[in-house]
Amino acid sequence: NAGVTQTPKFRILKIGQSMTLQCTQDMNHNYMYWYRQDPGMGLKLIYYSVGAGITDKGEVPNGYNVSRSTTEDFPLRLELAAPSQTSVYFCASSRQPQHFGDGTRLSIL
Amino acid sequence: DQQVKQNSPSLSVQEGRISILNCDYTNSMFDYFLWYKKYPAEGPTFLISISSIKDKNEDGRFTVFLNKSAKHLSLHIVPSQPGDSAVYFCAASAASGTYKYIFGTGTRLKVLA
Repeated sequence: NAGVTQTPKFRILKIGQSMTLQCTQDMNHNYMYWYRQDPGMGLKLIYYSVGAGITDKGEVPNGYNVSRSTTEDFPLRLELAAPSQTSVYFCASSRQPQHFGDGTRLSIL
Repeated sequence: DQQVKQNSPSLSVQEGRISILNCDYTNSMFDYFLWYKKYPAEGPTFLISISSIKDKNEDGRFTVFLNKSAKHLSLHIVPSQPGDSAVYFCAASAASGTYKYIFGTGTRLKVLA
């Protein structure tokens, strides 16, 4: 049982480029979440979804977009990468408690 | 405005002794609290949780205490082991149906052998 799988694990982007961070879960959870963690800080919620076709903003949604076409997948898209989006991104699923993937470390230069 | 605070960035404890990690919150609507452990290059791993209707929850070496009047929770690890060395995050959620978590900034625990 893989749980929550995030790809890629590492990525370097140039300012202005776009990319999609992938998140897949095999536990049939309706609830999925995207967080970012900056150095010395806690995790902050970017977007979340309570089921296929339903998404909503979290604390820090600016500069990001999400979609949820299936129960398993919840991709996070950066359209115009900015240095402030350099962070570690975590995807999670389930309600209580949330189960996390191992993260994507993203650097924007 | 930081609704969940962990005021100690780091803590060192001798192996076999008790580790006490603290967390304060400001939002009285929070009714469910969790502790996560995080190793480098891994995602947070759920450790233990407590509902606001309880003041204590135990799971093996880990006990979480909740003081609602003080808006304070703590995690006790007894006895501490070198493998417990990690960053510990507390998180809180309110009964809104969306189960959104607010995380503290974490405490790095180092257990010395």
